[in-house]
Amino acid sequence: DAKTTQPPSMDCAEGRAANLPCNHSTISGNEYVYWYRQIHSQGPQYIIHGLKNNETNEMASLIITEDRKSSTLILPHATLRDTAVYYCIVRGANDYKLSFGAGTTVTVRA
Amino acid sequence: EAGVAQSPRYKIIEKRQSVAFWCNPISGHATLYWYQQILGQGPKLLIQFQNNGVVDDSQLPKDRFSAERLKGVDSTLKIQPAKLEDSAVYLCASSRTGGEFGKETQYFGPGTRLLVL
Repeated sequence: DAKTTQPPSMDCAEGRAANLPCNHSTISGNEYVYWYRQIHSQGPQYIIHGLKNNETNEMASLIITEDRKSSTLILPHATLRDTAVYYCIVRGANDYKLSFGAGTTVTVRA
Repeated sequence: EAGVAQSPRYKIIEKRQSVAFWCNPISGHATLYWYQQILGQGPKLLIQFQNNGVVDDSQLPKDRFSAERLKGVDSTLKIQPAKLEDSAVYLCASSRTGGEFGKETQYFGPGTRLLVL
């Protein structure tokens, strides 16, 4: 019952922007897009979430298309410590659980 | 602000033995979650508590798994008897629960890595 589609893996050069795509073509109007990441041997870490508008915080930017069927997480200046599995999750206003898919394994290379 | 604490970090047991995991959520967080993460997969929710009451335990294998959250703070997750397929990382998460669930951030602990031999 995955609601999102992400590429299984991607590489990124250190210091460059990393753009992580996510498709969520069946998203409904009251569902949020959440991004978490999981660094090896750690628990998932919240990055950012949004509903309609683009969002930015100290970690990343979230760009949601106007039709809301896809989004992109942008890490503006990737570092080696950003190497992790990144999960894109669609979550309804009344969904208490996070439904994780397989995510995208991002490897930042020096 | 201290994060979600879990112990032990690692546990190795033989099948048919029992094991217990402990979680201390972030102070003031009313909602507590236990997730199971099998190698190579994303975490899967096992049980959710709001204060000391169970909200959802539909994915908890109740013939062998049990969980409690006495006094609405700390929680323990127990497996008895363990099977080989229970080898996984058990993650605890908490959230404040002040409004719509969809707006709430869940904060995860480091997890307990269980190996059943």
